[in-house]
Amino acid sequence: DAKTTQPPSMDCAEGRAANLPCNHSTISGNEYVYWYRQIHSQGPQYIIHGLKNNETNEMASLIITEDRKSSTLILPHATLRDTAVYYCIVRTTDQFYFGTGTSLTVIP
Amino acid sequence: SAVISQKPSRDICQRGTSLTIQCQVDSQVTMMFWYRQQPGQSLTLIATANQGSEATYESGFVIDKFPISRPNLTFSTLTVSNMSPEDSSIYLCSVCRGFMNTEAFFGQGTRLTVV
Repeated sequence: DAKTTQPPSMDCAEGRAANLPCNHSTISGNEYVYWYRQIHSQGPQYIIHGLKNNETNEMASLIITEDRKSSTLILPHATLRDTAVYYCIVRTTDQFYFGTGTSLTVIP
Repeated sequence: SAVISQKPSRDICQRGTSLTIQCQVDSQVTMMFWYRQQPGQSLTLIATANQGSEATYESGFVIDKFPISRPNLTFSTLTVSNMSPEDSSIYLCSVCRGFMNTEAFFGQGTRLTVV
């Protein structure tokens, strides 16, 4: 079962940073936080993951609070192609359990 | 990344019939997963398919309805049996790759419509 809570939808102006929050208050010490996104009619795409430290790659940054009970995915310069549903996942076992996600709309 | 091919990409089927979906991966993987995504919903894990053993099904899914084969480390099939309109969904295959299977990769899915 999903262990995360995300807002159902968000808007972001094109070119601005998109900050997507996720609550995972019951996360355990060895569980990773993953972010995936799903653009309409496509399979989910991996974005980033982390355990304790903040992480950055070519797509996004992941900020995890010190108590690890929440995290924020940051898309630094959102484009129209970033419009998608973003899923925050706490990986407990080998499987990935998806929650309801946040539908991000990037507005021109 | 992993290249995952699913066939068919979409199909329209009559109720009461069965459809077998194929998932082919470009390299050997230990774990393969099957998901269902109902219209407007998130992904729901159906089962985990490991080579050489029976698939492990999640709560609410049974082998009689969704039989799975995993004959080798690059291939798996999911059959949707005795279909009804409620089975209309996108079915996705997924594999884990990377150090300690840290990343999951997904196929583009099979869009099934049951009429």
